[in-house]
Amino acid sequence: AQKITQTQPGMFVQEKEAVTLDCTYDTSDQSYGLFWYKQPSSGEMIFLIYQGSYDEQNATEGRYSLNFQKARKSANLVISASQLGDSAMYFCAMREGRGYSTLTFGKGTMLLVSP
Amino acid sequence: DAGVIQSPRHEVTEMGQEVTLRCKPISGHNSLFWYRQTMMRGLELLIYFNNNVPIDDSGMPEDRFSAKMPNASFSTLKIQPSEPRDSAVYFCASSPDRYRGMGEQYFGPGTRLTVT
Repeated sequence: AQKITQTQPGMFVQEKEAVTLDCTYDTSDQSYGLFWYKQPSSGEMIFLIYQGSYDEQNATEGRYSLNFQKARKSANLVISASQLGDSAMYFCAMREGRGYSTLTFGKGTMLLVSP
Repeated sequence: DAGVIQSPRHEVTEMGQEVTLRCKPISGHNSLFWYRQTMMRGLELLIYFNNNVPIDDSGMPEDRFSAKMPNASFSTLKIQPSEPRDSAVYFCASSPDRYRGMGEQYFGPGTRLTVT
């Protein structure tokens, strides 16, 4: 079974609108972390936001927020007031446990923001 | 502060040649990761080091691939001999001490490798 599932291959949104990118995860660990990365057409991977499994509040970073629903094992990324520069590939990732551990990435969602 | 530095940014080589990719992690980070990204397979972890020691190399495709981290500020990924199916973007990422942080990884700009 996939550990990270991003069901939306592509999303379209108009500038200034909000958009939600879906991510569900699968783990039996109690301690884990969830991450979102942005990959624009230039290719670099940019860390956006983090949510820890024990965090009670949803994480926010500027226009990015993470809608964390632990019981449903979902960690959706919400981008408010979309900008043209938000057009990119977005990856959800998970770290299981603590200590020596790696990130497992989803297959990504391509977001296109139109004027 | 400088981010993760990778060189070269682009590499075109012929099948059978040796390829060496280089990475300088962010100073003070004690974990380093090598990834490969292709359209078909997405982002795959090849190997990661903690405090210069390889912890998990189960993602290394085969014996043609090898990685070293001789010190805290330098790592190499070598492919010998290279094959056309090795064509991909290779990323290096580094991460601070995850016991004190959240385990986020910071990626370099990647090396686009084309093997003809």
